[in-house]
Amino acid sequence: DTAVSQTPKYLVTQMGNDKSIKCEQNLGHDTMYWYKQDSKKFLKIMFSYNNKELIINETVPNRFSPKSPDKAHLNLHINSLELGDSAVYFCASSQAGQVNTIYFGEGSWLTVV
Amino acid sequence: DQQVKQNSPSLSVQEGRISILNCDYTNSMFDYFLWYKKYPAEGPTFLISISSIKDKNEDGRFTVFLNKSAKHLSLHIVPSQPGDSAVYFCAASAMYSGGGADGLTFGKGTHLIIQP
Repeated sequence: DTAVSQTPKYLVTQMGNDKSIKCEQNLGHDTMYWYKQDSKKFLKIMFSYNNKELIINETVPNRFSPKSPDKAHLNLHINSLELGDSAVYFCASSQAGQVNTIYFGEGSWLTVV
Repeated sequence: DQQVKQNSPSLSVQEGRISILNCDYTNSMFDYFLWYKKYPAEGPTFLISISSIKDKNEDGRFTVFLNKSAKHLSLHIVPSQPGDSAVYFCAASAMYSGGGADGLTFGKGTHLIIQP
């Protein structure tokens, strides 16, 4: 039973398209995150959501918008995709403020052509 | 500005020997450190952690050492096994000083290769 699941796992799309990546956690955690691993292998935080409130946004372009219908879900919407958006996107969750409880999803490989 | 640095992109170790992975950090607010292991096409999985009030934490074959004055931590794996071949990420947080909501700051990872 997967703790943090994200879909799709692989996504190839054209520049200019709008796409979404979904994430769900069944751990009862209060905080969910999106991380991006770029071509240089850096794993950087993009967003953090705590009880449906965005609490950090690390200078991510506003083409990226997280949407949380409830505390078990945090979806990532990307508008007007650019080549540089190609990366692996990881969803994660934790108990509020407790990074020692962070669990990651398996990642979504986005390729923009 | 890299706040967490893993200066060795890869490390090759013979099976049965000790693997030592190193990590340096610059932010003195960091008070909690974690190591994650990542296989290809999978997400990072938690391995071991240490808080800044300790200088050593051990879990089976894995031991993490923290040298706060040097802002350095290391992960020791002994004995190394073929299944340990993976990318290891060092991560840090200012969890105890209220920065837990900021998530983790990761290093670039070290690819550990265990040779039979």
